[in-house]
Amino acid sequence: EAQVTQNPRYLITVTGKKLTVTCSQNMNHEYMSWYRQDPGLGLRQIYYSMNVEVTDKGDVPEGYKVSRKEKRNFPLILESPSPNQTSLYFCASSFSSGSNQPQHFGDGTRLSIL
Amino acid sequence: AQSVAQPEDQVNVAEGNPLTVKCTYSVSGNPYLFWYVQYPNRGLQFLLKYITGDNLVKGSYGFEAEFNKSQTSFHLKKPSALVSDSALYFCAVRGIGNDMRFGAGTRLTVKP
Repeated sequence: EAQVTQNPRYLITVTGKKLTVTCSQNMNHEYMSWYRQDPGLGLRQIYYSMNVEVTDKGDVPEGYKVSRKEKRNFPLILESPSPNQTSLYFCASSFSSGSNQPQHFGDGTRLSIL
Repeated sequence: AQSVAQPEDQVNVAEGNPLTVKCTYSVSGNPYLFWYVQYPNRGLQFLLKYITGDNLVKGSYGFEAEFNKSQTSFHLKKPSALVSDSALYFCAVRGIGNDMRFGAGTRLTVKP
């Protein structure tokens, strides 16, 4: 089954403790992206990647890191999480970096930073 | 930079009635416009897109959207709403670059 898989689905942690949210897709997609969803703000793009070893900042990259060493994986790293990063996070992928391609989304990761 | 606005936080309709969820956009150049739906505890699912051509775009689950260049709008429509259409709907725009902008979302409630 074609899918985008995120882990963990839920995480409660404390300020300053490094964490990684993994994202993997099995569709051989070139384009991958991370978003955070907050009430009243919709989805805001954190980082995106057009292919292996190519990453770019979205609208809200501060406090986050990403890497794209393999085509299928695009982990999101919070080196020193803070409470304002408490949010619902989504990973997405699309077939190519072409602007007309719809994205496939994972089911989300709910992070709570205490 | 591109942007999207969904002017209504909430839309309520009765089952069987037509529904409209509004979206306006701002973008340099030709817009690539999308509608997505989100059900509880799930990621977004693609409904339809406008790239070029016919201003009326048909998508999944009986939804369609009308692109209006002069009004910079891309409203989502369905002739007859179902209770199962109740969900959170997002409009999105992708411009010349590869970044994506989403609206704040509109919660659609269809009452029996």
